Amino acid sequence: AQRVTQPEKLLSVFKGAPVELKCNYSYSGSPELFWYVQYSRQRLQLLLRHISRESIKGFTADLNKGETSFHLKKPFAQEEDSAMYYCALLTGTASKLTFGTGTRLQVTL
Amino acid sequence: DTGVSQNPRHKITKRGQNVTFRCDPISEHNRLYWYRQTLGQGPEFLTYFQNEAQLEKSRLLSDRFSAERPKGSFSTLEIQRTEQGDSAMYLCASRRPGTANTGELFFGEGSRLTVL
Repeated sequence: AQRVTQPEKLLSVFKGAPVELKCNYSYSGSPELFWYVQYSRQRLQLLLRHISRESIKGFTADLNKGETSFHLKKPFAQEEDSAMYYCALLTGTASKLTFGTGTRLQVTL
Repeated sequence: DTGVSQNPRHKITKRGQNVTFRCDPISEHNRLYWYRQTLGQGPEFLTYFQNEAQLEKSRLLSDRFSAERPKGSFSTLEIQRTEQGDSAMYLCASRRPGTANTGELFFGEGSRLTVL
């Protein structure tokens, strides 16, 4: 069965410090992975997808099939990055998302 | 606001009562999903509709749960004989046709259920 693991419930960093939110997955098929973000009092929304190989708000994520990981990185954290981040795996004919438990990123001055 | 709309936003009920949640997806979105999120967990898939057809249900969806999307537009999720373990945030999400591989779901703000 598919699984997404986010080992850290909380990651606290100083403004300007690098950020790495960890995500590991387990899936027998060809993985398609995503990062979703939920800012305070806002809806859950898509941040980025691995297939696009894009940088959104300074964040990037590389799919490493050998390590079954899809870590989210940003070189310099900003206060506005404080949010809940969920890693998600796309599976099945319904194209449903399997989410990890989430990591709360707290950026402090 | 033309986003996914859910109501009620909050519902407090006593154990054993029935509750119903409604979701209005974005108008051109024909795919609709229900997820459940409990404290400290990520959203968990419950069920999926393509137009009015319910195509997949999770094992999490016990016999007390039923979801409908009668005209392929809004959807309802009913929980009968609620239990304290049903307390959670119920999230609705939708997506456009032809976007299956994009992984982009548009979520509502959720309906929070508290069962006393």
